[in-house]
Amino acid sequence: GESVGLHLPTLSVQEGDNSIINCAYSNSASDYFIWYKQESGKGPQFIIDIRSNMDKRQGQRVTVLLNKTVKHLSLQIAATQPGDSAVYFCAETPSSNTGKLIFGQGTTLQVKP
Amino acid sequence: EAGVAQSPRYKIIEKRQSVAFWCNPISGHATLYWYQQILGQGPKLLIQFQNNGVVDDSQLPKDRFSAERLKGVDSTLKIQPAKLEDSAVYLCASSFAGHYGYTFGSGTRLTVV
Repeated sequence: GESVGLHLPTLSVQEGDNSIINCAYSNSASDYFIWYKQESGKGPQFIIDIRSNMDKRQGQRVTVLLNKTVKHLSLQIAATQPGDSAVYFCAETPSSNTGKLIFGQGTTLQVKP
Repeated sequence: EAGVAQSPRYKIIEKRQSVAFWCNPISGHATLYWYQQILGQGPKLLIQFQNNGVVDDSQLPKDRFSAERLKGVDSTLKIQPAKLEDSAVYLCASSFAGHYGYTFGSGTRLTVV
Protein backbone atom coordinates (compact mmCIF):
# COMPACT_ATOMS: atom_id res chain seq x y z
CA GLY A 1 0.00 0.00 0.00
CA GLU A 2 0.98 3.62 0.12
CA SER A 3 3.58 4.61 2.65
CA VAL A 4 5.76 7.51 3.64
CA GLY A 5 9.08 6.55 5.11
CA LEU A 6 11.83 8.33 7.03
CA HIS A 7 15.44 7.53 6.35
CA LEU A 8 16.79 7.44 9.91
CA PRO A 9 15.04 6.21 13.03
CA THR A 10 17.20 8.37 15.33
CA LEU A 11 19.08 11.64 14.89
CA SER A 12 21.31 13.06 17.61
CA VAL A 13 22.49 16.68 17.39
CA GLN A 14 24.22 19.20 19.59
CA GLU A 15 22.20 22.09 20.95
CA GLY A 16 22.55 25.07 18.65
CA ASP A 17 23.32 23.00 15.57
CA ASN A 18 20.98 22.69 12.62
CA SER A 19 18.98 19.47 12.18
CA ILE A 20 17.84 17.88 8.95
CA ILE A 21 15.22 15.14 9.00
CA ASN A 22 14.48 13.33 5.78
CA CYS A 23 11.48 11.52 4.39
CA ALA A 24 10.84 9.58 1.20
CA TYR A 25 7.30 9.21 -0.07
CA SER A 26 6.00 6.71 -2.58
CA ASN A 27 2.82 8.21 -4.00
CA SER A 28 3.65 10.62 -6.79
CA ALA A 29 0.01 11.74 -6.81
CA SER A 30 0.21 13.14 -3.27
CA ASP A 31 -0.66 16.80 -3.25
CA TYR A 32 -0.05 17.99 0.28
CA PHE A 33 2.63 17.19 2.86
CA ILE A 34 2.86 17.94 6.56
CA TRP A 35 5.53 17.60 9.22
CA TYR A 36 4.41 16.72 12.74
CA LYS A 37 6.20 16.72 16.07
CA GLN A 38 5.15 14.22 18.70
CA GLU A 39 6.29 14.43 22.30
CA SER A 40 5.93 11.56 24.71
CA GLY A 41 2.35 11.06 25.84
CA LYS A 42 0.96 13.63 23.41
CA GLY A 43 -0.67 13.62 20.02
CA PRO A 44 1.13 14.81 16.88
CA GLN A 45 1.51 18.58 16.69
CA PHE A 46 1.54 20.44 13.37
CA ILE A 47 4.87 22.04 12.48
CA ILE A 48 4.72 23.08 8.85
CA ASP A 49 3.09 22.05 5.60
CA ILE A 50 3.79 22.34 1.90
CA ARG A 51 1.76 21.80 -1.24
CA SER A 52 3.01 19.96 -4.28
CA ASN A 53 3.22 23.17 -6.36
CA MET A 54 5.94 24.49 -4.06
CA ASP A 55 9.49 23.30 -3.41
CA LYS A 56 10.29 25.25 -0.26
CA ARG A 57 8.43 26.80 2.63
CA GLN A 58 9.80 28.54 5.68
CA GLY A 59 8.42 28.98 9.14
CA GLN A 60 9.88 30.09 12.41
CA ARG A 61 13.21 28.19 12.68
CA VAL A 62 11.87 25.48 10.36
CA THR A 63 12.06 24.96 6.63
CA VAL A 64 10.47 22.22 4.56
CA LEU A 65 11.91 21.23 1.22
CA LEU A 66 10.05 19.16 -1.35
CA ASN A 67 11.73 17.42 -4.27
CA LYS A 68 9.00 15.84 -6.38
CA THR A 69 11.48 14.44 -8.90
CA VAL A 70 12.90 12.00 -6.36
CA LYS A 71 9.85 12.05 -4.06
CA HIS A 72 11.78 13.42 -1.13
CA LEU A 73 10.78 15.69 1.73
CA SER A 74 12.99 17.20 4.38
CA LEU A 75 12.57 19.24 7.52
CA GLN A 76 15.32 21.60 8.58
CA ILE A 77 15.38 22.95 12.11
CA ALA A 78 17.70 25.88 12.74
CA ALA A 79 19.53 26.34 16.04
CA THR A 80 18.11 23.17 17.53
CA GLN A 81 17.01 23.49 21.15
CA PRO A 82 16.39 20.88 23.87
CA GLY A 83 12.66 21.52 23.50
CA ASP A 84 12.90 20.21 19.94
CA SER A 85 13.59 16.71 21.24
CA ALA A 86 10.68 14.57 20.03
CA VAL A 87 9.63 12.14 17.32
CA TYR A 88 9.09 13.77 13.94
CA PHE A 89 6.74 12.36 11.31
CA CYS A 90 6.11 13.35 7.76
CA ALA A 91 2.63 12.75 6.43
CA GLU A 92 1.12 12.91 2.98
CA THR A 93 -2.32 13.17 1.57
CA PRO A 94 -3.67 12.94 -1.96
CA SER A 95 -5.45 16.27 -1.50
CA SER A 96 -5.71 19.02 1.08
CA ASN A 97 -9.47 18.45 0.98
CA THR A 98 -9.55 14.77 1.88
CA GLY A 99 -8.40 14.91 5.49
CA LYS A 100 -6.85 11.45 5.44
CA LEU A 101 -3.17 11.45 6.40
CA ILE A 102 -0.64 8.74 5.61
CA PHE A 103 2.22 8.82 8.11
CA GLY A 104 5.77 7.55 7.89
CA GLN A 105 7.65 5.69 10.61
CA GLY A 106 9.12 8.67 12.42
CA THR A 107 12.56 9.98 13.35
CA THR A 108 13.51 10.51 16.97
CA LEU A 109 15.47 13.75 17.41
CA GLN A 110 17.72 13.86 20.44
CA VAL A 111 19.28 17.21 21.34
CA LYS A 112 22.40 17.07 23.46
CA PRO A 113 23.06 20.06 25.73
CA GLU B 1 -9.81 27.26 22.47
CA ALA B 2 -10.23 23.84 24.07
CA GLY B 3 -8.44 21.01 22.32
CA VAL B 4 -9.61 17.55 21.32
CA ALA B 5 -10.60 15.70 24.49
CA GLN B 6 -10.10 11.97 24.84
CA SER B 7 -10.81 9.53 27.64
CA PRO B 8 -9.64 7.44 29.27
CA ARG B 9 -5.92 8.24 29.06
CA TYR B 10 -4.91 4.68 29.80
CA LYS B 11 -6.67 1.32 29.72
CA ILE B 12 -5.46 -2.19 30.46
CA ILE B 13 -7.69 -5.13 29.55
CA GLU B 14 -7.36 -8.83 29.01
CA LYS B 15 -7.63 -10.30 25.54
CA ARG B 16 -11.16 -11.11 24.45
CA GLN B 17 -12.56 -8.33 26.62
CA SER B 18 -14.25 -5.27 25.19
CA VAL B 19 -13.22 -1.63 25.52
CA ALA B 20 -14.53 1.76 24.44
CA PHE B 21 -12.82 5.08 23.88
CA TRP B 22 -14.45 8.48 23.81
CA CYS B 23 -13.55 11.61 21.87
CA ASN B 24 -14.94 15.13 21.97
CA PRO B 25 -13.66 17.21 19.05
CA ILE B 26 -13.05 20.93 18.92
CA SER B 27 -16.33 22.83 18.82
CA GLY B 28 -17.46 23.45 15.26
CA HIS B 29 -15.22 20.82 13.70
CA ALA B 30 -17.30 18.78 11.28
CA THR B 31 -14.69 16.14 10.53
CA LEU B 32 -13.50 13.61 13.11
CA TYR B 33 -10.82 10.96 12.71
CA TRP B 34 -9.70 7.93 14.70
CA TYR B 35 -6.10 6.80 14.25
CA GLN B 36 -4.26 3.78 15.65
CA GLN B 37 -0.60 4.27 16.56
CA ILE B 38 1.33 1.12 17.34
CA LEU B 39 4.52 1.66 19.34
CA GLY B 40 7.34 2.86 17.11
CA GLN B 41 5.11 3.54 14.12
CA GLY B 42 3.26 6.46 12.64
CA PRO B 43 -0.50 6.80 13.16
CA LYS B 44 -2.77 4.88 10.80
CA LEU B 45 -6.25 6.11 9.97
CA LEU B 46 -9.03 3.79 11.11
CA ILE B 47 -12.12 5.83 10.33
CA GLN B 48 -13.13 9.32 9.24
CA PHE B 49 -16.49 10.96 9.94
CA GLN B 50 -18.01 13.99 8.27
CA ASN B 51 -20.65 15.17 10.74
CA ASN B 52 -22.39 11.87 11.62
CA GLY B 53 -21.62 10.08 8.35
CA VAL B 54 -18.68 7.77 7.62
CA VAL B 55 -16.35 9.04 4.89
CA ASP B 56 -13.63 6.38 5.05
CA ASP B 57 -13.49 3.19 7.11
CA SER B 58 -11.42 1.14 4.68
CA GLN B 59 -8.77 0.30 7.29
CA LEU B 60 -11.11 -0.40 10.19
CA PRO B 61 -11.13 -4.12 11.18
CA LYS B 62 -14.89 -4.31 11.12
CA ASP B 63 -15.09 -7.79 12.62
CA ARG B 64 -13.99 -6.34 15.97
CA PHE B 65 -13.87 -2.56 15.73
CA SER B 66 -16.84 -0.22 15.55
CA ALA B 67 -17.23 3.52 15.79
CA GLU B 68 -20.10 5.93 15.91
CA ARG B 69 -20.76 9.66 15.94
CA LEU B 70 -24.48 9.69 16.36
CA LYS B 71 -25.11 13.40 16.89
CA GLY B 72 -22.24 14.60 14.77
CA VAL B 73 -20.27 15.83 17.77
CA ASP B 74 -18.54 13.37 20.07
CA SER B 75 -17.58 9.86 19.05
CA THR B 76 -16.87 6.47 20.54
CA LEU B 77 -14.58 3.73 19.23
CA LYS B 78 -15.16 0.20 20.47
CA ILE B 79 -13.14 -2.98 20.26
CA GLN B 80 -14.83 -6.30 20.92
CA PRO B 81 -13.18 -8.73 21.44
CA ALA B 82 -9.72 -7.27 21.92
CA LYS B 83 -6.57 -9.02 20.72
CA LEU B 84 -2.99 -8.62 21.89
CA GLU B 85 -2.10 -6.83 18.65
CA ASP B 86 -4.65 -4.11 19.42
CA SER B 87 -2.24 -2.71 22.01
CA ALA B 88 -1.61 0.82 20.76
CA VAL B 89 -2.40 4.47 21.28
CA TYR B 90 -5.75 5.46 19.82
CA LEU B 91 -5.69 9.05 18.66
CA CYS B 92 -8.68 11.17 17.83
CA ALA B 93 -8.35 14.22 15.60
CA SER B 94 -10.77 16.79 14.27
CA SER B 95 -10.76 19.46 11.62
CA PHE B 96 -13.02 22.23 10.46
CA ALA B 97 -12.83 21.07 6.85
CA GLY B 98 -10.12 19.12 5.07
CA HIS B 99 -6.89 20.09 6.81
CA TYR B 100 -8.05 23.41 8.23
CA GLY B 101 -7.63 23.37 11.98
CA TYR B 102 -6.52 19.72 12.00
CA THR B 103 -5.82 18.93 15.67
CA PHE B 104 -4.98 15.71 17.49
CA GLY B 105 -5.94 14.73 21.00
CA SER B 106 -3.44 13.21 23.43
CA GLY B 107 -4.74 9.71 22.81
CA THR B 108 -5.76 6.68 24.82
CA ARG B 109 -3.04 4.12 25.48
CA LEU B 110 -4.50 0.62 25.35
CA THR B 111 -2.63 -2.39 26.66
CA VAL B 112 -4.11 -5.83 25.99
CA VAL B 113 -2.66 -8.59 28.18
